[in-house]
Amino acid sequence: SQQGEEDPQALSIQEGENATMNCSYKTSINNLQWYRQNSGRGLVHLILIRSNEREKHSGRLRVTLDTSKKSSSLLITASRAADTASYFCATPQGNKLTFGGGTRVLVKP
Amino acid sequence: GAGVSQTPSNKVTEKGKYVELRCDPISGHTALYWYRQSLGQGPEFLIYFQGTGAADDSGLPNDRFFAVRPEGSVSTLKIQRTERGDSAVYLCASSFTADNYGYTFGSGTRLTVV
Repeated sequence: SQQGEEDPQALSIQEGENATMNCSYKTSINNLQWYRQNSGRGLVHLILIRSNEREKHSGRLRVTLDTSKKSSSLLITASRAADTASYFCATPQGNKLTFGGGTRVLVKP
Repeated sequence: GAGVSQTPSNKVTEKGKYVELRCDPISGHTALYWYRQSLGQGPEFLIYFQGTGAADDSGLPNDRFFAVRPEGSVSTLKIQRTERGDSAVYLCASSFTADNYGYTFGSGTRLTVV
């Protein structure tokens, strides 16, 4: 079963716009991670936010975490065509990460 | 190696055949994970190795699926009597420890059962 649920399932924006996607999860966590996947192949780790953090930045990425609502958001600022990909949130469950269904982002040039 | 290597990158097999998928993790990574990803879905956990032993195989869908990691490095995922529903991308990931602070994924093997 998948712990996280991303919203929206798909997002289409113009280059230069911001892209925001959300992730909700069900159980208590000690961290939440976001991954990116191009063309249905390997996932790349983008950013990790710990349960005692509320916001974290990495380049054009901004992640927030609200443990009271069991939700997280990923914001990509000033999007580029190269940001076109699927984005997944993942949360630890026991010895493994559990992934959501992903948000497919299309950035149009 | 520099990254997680998976071979083959693509595999087409006939229904009922046996297949082996290989994963070569980053040197020194003790934790190794197999996931399966169907089109339009997120990766679903199959099995996790800590060293040579399968620490959690709760995600294997049935007894046609089996995985080994005999020397604590390379792992092989084995699927017997393949079915069309086994068609998916099989992803391998490794991490230095099993602390769930970030995985490095391989590029996956796309398995097509015809």
